Amino acid sequence: QSVLTQPPSVSAAPGQKVTISCSGSSSNIGNNYVSWYQQLPGTAPKLLIYENNKRPSGIPDRFSGSKSGTSATLGITGLQTGDEADYYCGTWDNSLSALVFGTGTKVTVL
Amino acid sequence: EVQLVQSGAEVKKPGESLKISCKGSGYSFTSYWIAWVRQMPGKGLEYMGIIYPGDSDVRYSPSFQGQVTISAGKSLSTAYLQWSSLKASDTAMYFCVRQNYFGTSYIEYWGQGTLVTVSS
Repeated sequence: QSVLTQPPSVSAAPGQKVTISCSGSSSNIGNNYVSWYQQLPGTAPKLLIYENNKRPSGIPDRFSGSKSGTSATLGITGLQTGDEADYYCGTWDNSLSALVFGTGTKVTVL
Repeated sequence: EVQLVQSGAEVKKPGESLKISCKGSGYSFTSYWIAWVRQMPGKGLEYMGIIYPGDSDVRYSPSFQGQVTISAGKSLSTAYLQWSSLKASDTAMYFCVRQNYFGTSYIEYWGQGTLVTVSS
């Protein structure tokens, strides 16, 4: 069961920008950091953003994160065909005492 | 280099038992939490539970309490996920992940996944 809501899909042409929203509540996003993951077909998810807006080493600055209240956003600029993947947000939920993930968003490069 | 290496794919029948594994290397295995994440076919990620190998403190997500057992062997630097009686609905990819502490909001290290197929 996903307690974080994301749009099922977003798309844009190569070189363009897409944003993915992640909506939660005060028990999760509202009081905890948000992370974002990229999952290419047939592979394990990969951390793209942690603590709302930090990028791990090796993640290009085309990927950015932000948070406001009980929502968060992932932005991808300069879209490339290699960015076609499923993207998930994640955060800790204080009520469940568990890490929770978003419903997932499929990014398509037109 | 931190690595989590999981056991291979399994094909089981309903009612059978199963134990899959996740071996950690490149870090102090007893100092970090290991969690399990389920991904059913074509679906999203679900957090199942977490263990601290240092003292075997285990916490389960409400949806998975009583459905699976999480354990760890310190000497082998290996965490386990087991079922006593599999159901067809247990068919999924299972990932083990390393978390820095209980309550952390992100996962930096993931295993490669173990595909479990339950079918008669």
